[in-house]
Amino acid sequence: GAVVSQHPSWVICKSGTSVKIECRSLDFQATTMFWYRQFPKQSLMLMATSNEGSKATYEQGVEKDKFLINHASLTLSTLTVTSAHPEDSSFYICSARGGSGTGNRDTQYFGPGTRLTVL
Amino acid sequence: QKEVEQDPGPLSVPEGAIVSLNCTYSNSAFQYFMWYRQYSRKGPELLMYTYSSGNKEDGRFTAQVDKSSKYISLFIRDSQPSDSATYLCAMSEGGTASKLTFGTGTRLQVTL
Repeated sequence: GAVVSQHPSWVICKSGTSVKIECRSLDFQATTMFWYRQFPKQSLMLMATSNEGSKATYEQGVEKDKFLINHASLTLSTLTVTSAHPEDSSFYICSARGGSGTGNRDTQYFGPGTRLTVL
Repeated sequence: QKEVEQDPGPLSVPEGAIVSLNCTYSNSAFQYFMWYRQYSRKGPELLMYTYSSGNKEDGRFTAQVDKSSKYISLFIRDSQPSDSATYLCAMSEGGTASKLTFGTGTRLQVTL
């Protein structure tokens, strides 16, 4: 139980285009989801916290107009990288806080990540 | 200075060895200390967590937290090849489901 999926697992796009990444909690409802970014040889960095039905809270230094987050349902959050540039190339991982269904409310369950490469 | 420092390794040990992984941190407000294991192309998986200072044991794994030194450790006894993965420490002020601050992760290889 407590499985989180991400789609796509990897994506290559041209500079200037937008890319949408989906994060789904498969067997539980998650009122809170988190989006992280990891550059090579660096730690996972929290980008934003997403609560269902409300605006995401972004960490300092993360452009909210560039990284659009939508948490429209209890099982789905999306991250859209708008006008992507090569410096946005990174590994993006989401996590979901356990809620009703399987999963512990005090645990973040992580997705497998999405590798974004911007040419 | 990073909030959380972790030696990236790689660390290579023979099967059966005791493995010691550790992290240091600078934020004295951290109260929850977690260890995650991440296999290649997978998301991090919570191994165990500790609240405040002290030790916690779970099978072959022992987590230690020394808040006075801002130092945490994870020990793996009788290491197995299946333990080969990247181990990430993470910390938070408000709980294991709150904002986490991660170390860079230590890559561990357990050889036969």
